[in-house]
Amino acid sequence: AQSVTQLDSQVPVFEEAPVELRCNYSSSVSVYLFWYVQYPNQGLQLLLKYLSGSTLVKGINGFEAEFNKSQTSFHLRKPSVHISDTAEYFCAVRNFYNTDKLIFGTGTRLQVFP
Amino acid sequence: ETGVTQSPTHLIKTRGQQVTLRCSSQSGHNTVSWYQQALGQGPQFIFQYYREEENGRGNFPPRFSGLQFPNYSSELNVNALELDDSALYLCASSLPGTGVSSYTFGSGTRLTVV
Repeated sequence: AQSVTQLDSQVPVFEEAPVELRCNYSSSVSVYLFWYVQYPNQGLQLLLKYLSGSTLVKGINGFEAEFNKSQTSFHLRKPSVHISDTAEYFCAVRNFYNTDKLIFGTGTRLQVFP
Repeated sequence: ETGVTQSPTHLIKTRGQQVTLRCSSQSGHNTVSWYQQALGQGPQFIFQYYREEENGRGNFPPRFSGLQFPNYSSELNVNALELDDSALYLCASSLPGTGVSSYTFGSGTRLTVV
């Protein structure tokens, strides 16, 4: 079965510092991988996705992620965070065995301090 | 182009009651998927509708049911509400033939069961 592990439930960081949010997945087949952001009391907004091709994926708001097949990881990075990046971040993998759906991790709360 | 809209935004129900949540898909999207996000958790797949029929279901009991209408909008119905049904319910619509790759999420309905 496919699964997603987000190793850090919370990541505190100061403004303008770099950040990495970790995501590992388990799958025996090729995957599609996604990062979503959720601001308080809102739905999910797609940050970026890996479907195929280049393993370095660039997304919105200055975020990027690197697909590493050997380590089954898809870590999210930003070189310099802003206060406005404070939110919940979810990593997800596509499950296409029987239904086209997403399997989500439990989320990482990014808290940016001034 | 309108996005995915969900109604109502918030709802309070009593245990044992029934509830209906609504989702209008994005223009051109013919598939709607529903997810449940409990507090502090990642979203969990409930079911998906395509051409007005259920097209896959997650690990949810039959008291969770749905409908899709000819205009691709959808409803999620939950009977015999339990306290654990308290959650944010998200719907996502997607383009024909693209599945999760083109997911657009709504802002969700916050259901509280007391």
